[in-house]
Amino acid sequence: DAMVIQNPRYQVTQFGKPVTLSCSQTLNHNVMYWYQQKSSQAPKLLFHYYDKDFNNEADTPDNFQSRRPNTSFCFLDIRSPGLGDAAMYLCATSSLRDRERGETQYFGPGTRLLVL
Amino acid sequence: AQSVTQPDIHITVSEGASLELRCNYSYGATPYLFWYVQSPGQGLQLLLKYFSGDTLVQGIKGFEAEFKRSQSSFNLRKPSVHWSDAAEYFCAVGEGSGGYNKLIFGAGTRLAVHP
Repeated sequence: DAMVIQNPRYQVTQFGKPVTLSCSQTLNHNVMYWYQQKSSQAPKLLFHYYDKDFNNEADTPDNFQSRRPNTSFCFLDIRSPGLGDAAMYLCATSSLRDRERGETQYFGPGTRLLVL
Repeated sequence: AQSVTQPDIHITVSEGASLELRCNYSYGATPYLFWYVQSPGQGLQLLLKYFSGDTLVQGIKGFEAEFKRSQSSFNLRKPSVHWSDAAEYFCAVGEGSGGYNKLIFGAGTRLAVHP
């Protein structure tokens, strides 16, 4: 089945130690998104890739970076995690070919990040 | 700025009872509207969406939603709730002009189902 996969599902890191979260998709979608969802809050968009074009949200901290080496994979890098970065990180994809039918974002299961 | 309001943070219903989750949006143009469900520790699953046409939208798991432009609402309904429907429900509006859709989410409504 076509899907969005996130690894790992749970990640524990130390304060200030760089960490990378991974997302892959078999949907061949050209847009990939990263959301941060803190406990009992709504998901908040960090940035997205439209093909290879990176688009950062204005309020996304510099501590967060992303890479998309190819269509299928996208990475979220947190350069120096703080306690406030503990959250669920959700990857989503969409296809602009679906735009006229109300482009839908398909979400992965998320990676829960714990910062010690 | 575009926004989504879900007035009910928590709702508890009995199994078999009907359900309505409220969603109000603020958006200048015709919105793309979505309802997603999130089970504990899981990602978001799309229940249904509205982008044009019939204002009553059918989704998965027996859910439906009605778009009411005059009330800026997109309420989610189910005639008979099952225990497995206990989860968090997010309403979202797609913000974009011809390109990608940035989703603006409401704060969510947590649904509990009593046997």
